[in-house]
Amino acid sequence: ETGVTQTPRHLVMGMTNKKSLKCEQHLGHNAMYWYKQSAKKPLELMFVYSLEERVENNSVPSRFSPECPNSSHLFLHLHTLQPEDSALYLCASSQESGRNTEAFFGQGTRLTVV
Amino acid sequence: RKEVEQDPGPFNVPEGATVAFNCTYSNSASQSFFWYRQDCRKEPKLLMSVYSSGNEDGRFTAQLNRASQYISLLIRDSKLSDSATYLCVIYSGAGSYQLTFGKGTKLSVIP
Repeated sequence: ETGVTQTPRHLVMGMTNKKSLKCEQHLGHNAMYWYKQSAKKPLELMFVYSLEERVENNSVPSRFSPECPNSSHLFLHLHTLQPEDSALYLCASSQESGRNTEAFFGQGTRLTVV
Repeated sequence: RKEVEQDPGPFNVPEGATVAFNCTYSNSASQSFFWYRQDCRKEPKLLMSVYSSGNEDGRFTAQLNRASQYISLLIRDSKLSDSATYLCVIYSGAGSYQLTFGKGTKLSVIP
C-alpha cells in the first residue's frame, strides 16, 4: 500500500476546462514532487517543494500551477491545457537528508486532454 | 551525451535466464544511484539502491563503476513476475533535489 495517494486516478478534460490534481503523503516526508511521464519518454521533473517552498521549476508552462499548502499536500492546477499535455502525472515524496533519497510515488493521474 | 542512458530493449528472455542491464550517466559528481521498477500502467517503485561496493538482494545484484560512470543490474533465474520496465535513477546531490531518470529498459520473461 503506497503512502502517497493521488486523486483522481483518471481525468479527461477539454482544453478550456480548469481542473486540479491532488496528492497527499502520509510518510512524514519534507519534499514533494510533480513528474510527468509521456509515452516513450523518461520521467520529467516538473516541480519540487521542500518544506512547503518551491525549490525547482523546470521550465514548465504557466498553464500548470502547483500549490503546496502544507507538507502533506500538493496540488497541480490545470487550465487551458493542450492535447500534448496528455500524460501520466506522478506525485512523489522523499525525506531530504543526504545521500540516499528514495522517492515514493503515488499511483498517478492519467490525464487526457481532448 | 544524455544525462542517463539505458538500452530501451525490449529484452525477451526465457524463465530461468540471467539478464543484465547497463546504465551510463554523464554527471561525474552524481552521489546516489538506484534501480526502480515500473510495472505496466503503475507507478515506479524502488527496487534497490546501488553502492560502490556492489550489493545483492536475492536474485538481484547491482554494481557501480564510478570510473566508467555506469551502473548495472543483474537478474538471475528470471521469473515471469520480473517482467517490467527497469529505470536507472541518479541523484546528483549538491543542493539539487532532482532525481534524474533513464527512459527505462523493458524486460519480458517468457514461459
